Amino acid sequence: DTAVSQTPKYLVTQMGNDKSIKCEQNLGHDTMYWYKQDSKKFLKIMFSYNNKELIINETVPNRFSPKSPDKAHLNLHINSLELGDSAVYFCASSPRRGSETQYFGPGTRLLVL
Amino acid sequence: GEDVEQSLFLSVREGDSSVINCTYTDSSSTYLYWYKQEPGAGLQLLTYIFSNMDMKQDQRLTVLLNKKDKHLSLRIADTQTGDSAIYFCAERWGSGGGADGLTFGKGTHLIIQP
Repeated sequence: DTAVSQTPKYLVTQMGNDKSIKCEQNLGHDTMYWYKQDSKKFLKIMFSYNNKELIINETVPNRFSPKSPDKAHLNLHINSLELGDSAVYFCASSPRRGSETQYFGPGTRLLVL
Repeated sequence: GEDVEQSLFLSVREGDSSVINCTYTDSSSTYLYWYKQEPGAGLQLLTYIFSNMDMKQDQRLTVLLNKKDKHLSLRIADTQTGDSAIYFCAERWGSGGGADGLTFGKGTHLIIQP
């Protein structure tokens, strides 16, 4: 059984489009995250979401908006895609904020043309 | 702010031990982690250590933590070709109220020579 799943696995789109990436966890965790891994493999946190409280990394453009319909899902919506948005986006979950384990999804590889 | 540093590459011969080093700056980190990423794959949690421990062993993996020097290492005994991957050191920040998350190093590419 997949603990943290993401769809789609690959996403190729044109500049200016709006797209969404979905994330689901079946672990019963309270906290979810989005991370971005760029072409040099550098990983940085974008958002954390805990019990309907969203904490935003201030370096993330406001074109990125996470949406959580329920505790098991944290989707990432991106408006007006730019070339620099091309990256691998990882969703992660944690039992609660500050807990010792954080499990990652398989990643969504986004390519903006 | 928080910063995690690690060497970008490490080359070892198959069968030797690999030691991947990491330094971090946030002395309030509660947990420190090693993640493995194989080509085209996601992040696999290998092991983690609580900040009040100085060593943790799990089969071929040994984690050493020097809290005074803010230095973390991962030793892989009897390195195999399947260990070829990028290894990310990460520190946990935040607890209680407010934001929390992981800060990652840039990753160490472990290259195995036959």
